[in-house]
Amino acid sequence: GEDVEQSLFLSVREGDSSVINCTYTDSSSTYLYWYKQEPGAGLQLLTYIFSNMDMKQDQRLTVLLNKKDKHLSLRIADTQTGDSAIYFCAESMGYSSASKIIFGSGTRLSIRP
Amino acid sequence: GAVVSQHPSWVICKSGTSVKIECRSLDFQATTMFWYRQFPKQSLMLMATSNEGSKATYEQGVEKDKFLINHASLTLSTLTVTSAHPEDSSFYICSALREGTTDTQYFGPGTRLTVL
Repeated sequence: GEDVEQSLFLSVREGDSSVINCTYTDSSSTYLYWYKQEPGAGLQLLTYIFSNMDMKQDQRLTVLLNKKDKHLSLRIADTQTGDSAIYFCAESMGYSSASKIIFGSGTRLSIRP
Repeated sequence: GAVVSQHPSWVICKSGTSVKIECRSLDFQATTMFWYRQFPKQSLMLMATSNEGSKATYEQGVEKDKFLINHASLTLSTLTVTSAHPEDSSFYICSALREGTTDTQYFGPGTRLTVL
């Protein structure tokens, strides 16, 4: 069945890079997403990658996709206190993002001085 | 960017009453909207897909008579929790699909429901 897994917690020092990892089971995923959720708030789409891409970079964010291993990662360069949040990995089945999105459990990123 | 709002942002109600939550796409039209439920410290679970002008499609295990969805216009979907009970207390999040070069779901800020 469909499953998306992430580690629950990550703690990094301010200014260091954060790497959040995610694995998924369904090889037919066509879109893979990273969302950010701050306390008490909804989800903010950070970035997404098509399944036919290996990497996508957007300012401080770098997404790497290893389709063979069904592994997705999000790297945040120069992590700041404002990056503290829960980060959800998600996959979309089917051929467009109109399809159902399956979310991982979320990784809580905390920043230490 | 695309903006999706929800109203109310939080609500407290007595057990047995019904609560309506609105989801609006403010700067685009959305034929399709989605309703999710999030328990504390857990992930989002899709409850149903709301289609403008037609019946919603519910996920397995979601009671359609308890969670009534109405998508009467291209900018508004409503979720009504009928005869709410304490176990319905949760964070409800909607998303609206903006279709274009790349179809993207935009999420609302969520509604926290507490049933006493």
